[in-house]
Amino acid sequence: NAGVTQTPKFQVLKTGQSMTLQCAQDMNHNSMYWYRQDPGMGLRLIYYSASEGTTDKGEVPNGYNVSRLNKREFSLRLESAAPSQTSVYFCASSEFRDSNSPLHFGNGTRLTVT
Amino acid sequence: GNSVTQMEGPVTLSEEAFLTINCTYTATGYPSLFWYVQYPGEGLQLLLKATKADDKGSNKGFEATYRKETTSFHLEKGSVQVSDSAVYFCALRGGNNNDMRFGAGTRLTVKP
Repeated sequence: NAGVTQTPKFQVLKTGQSMTLQCAQDMNHNSMYWYRQDPGMGLRLIYYSASEGTTDKGEVPNGYNVSRLNKREFSLRLESAAPSQTSVYFCASSEFRDSNSPLHFGNGTRLTVT
Repeated sequence: GNSVTQMEGPVTLSEEAFLTINCTYTATGYPSLFWYVQYPGEGLQLLLKATKADDKGSNKGFEATYRKETTSFHLEKGSVQVSDSAVYFCALRGGNNNDMRFGAGTRLTVKP
């Protein structure tokens, strides 16, 4: 029972490099999310996909793009990494994007941008 | 907009001590409230939730009651164990916005 799987677990980039974080869920959930976690700030929403075929900006979308490839997969792309994007990134999913649906999280990707 | 404020940590307790982590919220409408737990190197896991006023969520000895009059959802456990050492996040969802909003997290360390 894998749940939400993220790859890679760790990544180091130089300023200006690009990369894509991958996420897949096997719970047949409709909604998927990307968060970043920074010390003392909790988790902040970057982008979400309420359902297959849709994506929307969250609280901190600048510098990122996303793709909902199919119902299972939701990727996050950094086109030109900056040191301010050093963070831990979490993918999550929920059955629906409604008030009662809890989020299910992956184990995170720790990204360092030098 | 919606927001969550939880007590700053870190919190250090001895095994079998009583735990309270305070959480208050601001929201329009009637959100659902959640507590998540994060163990080292892992993602957040749902600990408990409550979807309407006066509901009590409970799991693994932890409890929290949705108090609309004080806009609070404090987490409690009667007797903590070393294995409860983790970071705890209060969160809300709904009202006028279905994004899950998180507090800053409270790190709990339980010593034997």
